Amino acid sequence: GDSVTQMEGPVTLSEEAFLTINCTYTATGYPSLFWYVQYPGEGLQLLLKATKADDKGSNKGFEATYRKETTSFHLEKGSVQVSDSAVYFCALHPGGGGADGLTFGKGTHLIIQP
Amino acid sequence: SAVISQKPSRDICQRGTSLTIQCQVDSQVTMMFWYRQQPGQSLTLIATANQGSEATYESGFVIDKFPISRPNLTFSTLTVSNMSPEDSSIYLCSARTSGTYEQYFGPGTRLTVT
Repeated sequence: GDSVTQMEGPVTLSEEAFLTINCTYTATGYPSLFWYVQYPGEGLQLLLKATKADDKGSNKGFEATYRKETTSFHLEKGSVQVSDSAVYFCALHPGGGGADGLTFGKGTHLIIQP
Repeated sequence: SAVISQKPSRDICQRGTSLTIQCQVDSQVTMMFWYRQQPGQSLTLIATANQGSEATYESGFVIDKFPISRPNLTFSTLTVSNMSPEDSSIYLCSARTSGTYEQYFGPGTRLTVT
């Protein structure tokens, strides 16, 4: 079945550092890919998405590019802030018009220190 | 996008009892889902709530334990029946609109079973 693998955390960075959180996936067909963010004590928020190969999703300074050749969707940000501290989840939908839910990675806890 | 509310936001329940969680969406949506997030873990899909018909359950989840209703296009309930401490989790409702695959999540219901 489909699966998502993302780097284990916690990831600790200093403010203004460059961020990369790796995400790779296994899926048949042409999945849609997502990054969700969960701030402490809150629900999941959609951060960005990409629906086909070479699409780049972006939001709030975060970017991720759908790389079909490497089955990856790595999340990047050029300069992180303390307010970016949260848990980040990579997820996929298998596409094809199906009524499926999302398959999530295990989540990466990001800690930004001032 | 869709704005989703859940009630209750949290509850502490005794072993053997049942709790019903309500999910309300601010607009008509095609699909609604229920997920479980165990402490420090990722999200696992419990079932798809189908409007006017029985829910579709994922492997490992059964209707007797997690009965679900969806009487219309904006509302669903999940009941956690005959609870045990292993049911202590955050339960999240999500929704998806037609023509897209991204899902929008409610804030979650934090359940503790003693």
